[in-house]
Amino acid sequence: GENVEQHPSTLSVQEGDSAVIKCTYSDSASNYFPWYKQELGKGPQLIIDIRSNVGEKKDQRIAVTLNKTAKHFSLHITETQPEDSAVYFCAATGNQFYFGTGTSLTVIP
Amino acid sequence: DAGVIQSPRHEVTEMGQEVTLRCKPISGHNSLFWYRQTMMRGLELLIYFNNNVPIDDSGMPEDRFSAKMPNASFSTLKIQPSEPRDSAVYFCASSFGGLLYNEQFFGPGTRLTVL
Repeated sequence: GENVEQHPSTLSVQEGDSAVIKCTYSDSASNYFPWYKQELGKGPQLIIDIRSNVGEKKDQRIAVTLNKTAKHFSLHITETQPEDSAVYFCAATGNQFYFGTGTSLTVIP
Repeated sequence: DAGVIQSPRHEVTEMGQEVTLRCKPISGHNSLFWYRQTMMRGLELLIYFNNNVPIDDSGMPEDRFSAKMPNASFSTLKIQPSEPRDSAVYFCASSFGGLLYNEQFFGPGTRLTVL
């Protein structure tokens, strides 16, 4: 089965700095990689996703990169703001759907 | 649209009791997912349905757990009998289109405490 590892588990950055979260997966059949943001007391919400035929995707301050050869993908948040503080989950989908273990991001004003 | 609706939002019960969690997916969505979230195990996919049919229940922890989707607008997750280790937040999510390759919309979750 799939195994999705996510690092770091916690991350603190100063407002305006960048944040990077990395994930690795094991199933070479995985071809869809979404990122979800979960705020306290709420369900996860999709913020960006990437498919295996694309190496990079950007949406305003958020970008995701994918390296299929190395089986890793990353989330990049630039110009961080306090409202970016949340738990972020990566996920990988092949024959199944697995979430990473989550990264608690704190943006310090 | 009101989004995915789950009830109850909080449930406290005693070990051995039956627990039923309910979910109403977003109208028009044809895939429904049940997840469990704990500090120790993170987010786990328990089961998902497509067009009301269970497709993969390999994530269901044991026979005490069962899920049904009698129609396109309603699903239940039942635990019988419940145990303290079942304490967690249970999320329902729905999506439109492909089974696993489209955005999932999550409900607010049900926080279950089994004493």
